[in-house]
Amino acid sequence: GAGVSQTPSNKVTEKGKYVELRCDPISGHTALYWYRQSLGQGPEFLIYFQGTGAADDSGLPNDRFFAVRPEGSVSTLKIQRTERGDSAVYLCASSLGQGLNSPLHFGNGTRLTVT
Amino acid sequence: AQKITQTQPGMFVQEKEAVTLDCTYDTSDQSYGLFWYKQPSSGEMIFLIYQGSYDEQNATEGRYSLNFQKARKSANLVISASQLGDSAMYFCAMREGNRGSYIPTFGRGTSLIVHP
Repeated sequence: GAGVSQTPSNKVTEKGKYVELRCDPISGHTALYWYRQSLGQGPEFLIYFQGTGAADDSGLPNDRFFAVRPEGSVSTLKIQRTERGDSAVYLCASSLGQGLNSPLHFGNGTRLTVT
Repeated sequence: AQKITQTQPGMFVQEKEAVTLDCTYDTSDQSYGLFWYKQPSSGEMIFLIYQGSYDEQNATEGRYSLNFQKARKSANLVISASQLGDSAMYFCAMREGNRGSYIPTFGRGTSLIVHP
């Protein structure tokens, strides 16, 4: 079956611009996560959705970052007034459940470059 | 304190040999889950193996096994009979019970290079 799909795969934007990153999770997966991965680092948690609601947004670095999942499937991560420090790979993942034994299934990520 | 520590930034192994990638974790919970993921140069994170804190036996999945030492809080990944395609970044991760939403936390990763 289809895996987690992220678009675009690459995004180059100028400092100060607004960007949207899209994630289409595996069908039937109610849990959706956004992570950010900088060069040489592991994924850092940003936000988690259970269904349509953001169950945990404690990883969002500041109020320039926002994410939605209006119908409980596709999610969009939105970054306002981008800064060069926002440059990273943004990973989306979904899981069938939210139990301790539920692995994440990741997309290929969106590489964001802010110039 | 870091929740997941991977002390080996890079590892090298000869093809067909076994290699162990280290992972230690920090939690006060009794219930937790440990995961290993592989990230090839293409970028996608691939789930490899899972170990639950109450599992009495070490997890195994094909050539992957997990050396789980609960008292030492370590969950090392063992790859047997290494293949060239095993060259990638490897990440250890944990879901804890005390964090209500069980958000997985990742280590910094270990780069594995398999030599022919």
